[in-house]
Amino acid sequence: QVQLVQSGAEVKKPGASVKVSCKVSTYTLTELSMHWVRQAPGKGLEWMGGFHPEDGETIYAQKFQGRVTMTEDTSTDTAYMELSSLRSEDTAVYYCATVVHDYYDSSPSYPHWGQGTLVTVSS
Amino acid sequence: SSELTQEPPVSVALGQTVKIACQGDSLRSYYASWYQQKPGQAPVLVIYGKNNRPSGIPDRFSGSFSGDTASLTITGAQAEDEADYYCNSRDSSGNHDYVFGTGTKVTVL
Repeated sequence: QVQLVQSGAEVKKPGASVKVSCKVSTYTLTELSMHWVRQAPGKGLEWMGGFHPEDGETIYAQKFQGRVTMTEDTSTDTAYMELSSLRSEDTAVYYCATVVHDYYDSSPSYPHWGQGTLVTVSS
Repeated sequence: SSELTQEPPVSVALGQTVKIACQGDSLRSYYASWYQQKPGQAPVLVIYGKNNRPSGIPDRFSGSFSGDTASLTITGAQAEDEADYYCNSRDSSGNHDYVFGTGTKVTVL
């Protein structure tokens, strides 16, 4: 069973950056494809981006392009999501989640999730 | 379009059946996956693919589809099924986006 353990809560000022980590255990990061999803207080799930195994690239939702960077350290099996130029609207719980694509039709699903990291942006 | 639309909150009597829908153009090309989320917890995958349940998910959860709409059915709802439910799929218009539905709150009475 894949286990994803995320870093702790963060409080940041507007304009700052935050870097959230997601440590993988029982599997190695190279065996997985990692995505990031966030959820603002009282709101729904929002896909941010992640590794796209079909072309080996990291893809980002258009909304976050230019502000988000997702990286992986395979030596420690840790994935990172860095979001810059933070504003109050970025206050949310950020989740890492592994994505699996159906072999036949590429339909996605997210079987494993981290516990979430609350990022609060406040002056 | 990469939007997935879900219906407003629904309620179901204990032991009865509830069906919630997720509509979007991308569902003509890809199956939806469904997630249960309880307050303060991470989402949990309950249905994926044509109608598959991960290990540990009760068989009262099932999925179906027709055209551009996917549905999640809970047959014999239990108190512990009260939660928010989200669908997910990927864009079929050529970009690489993935998308979650707007979510449906299910209340078990």
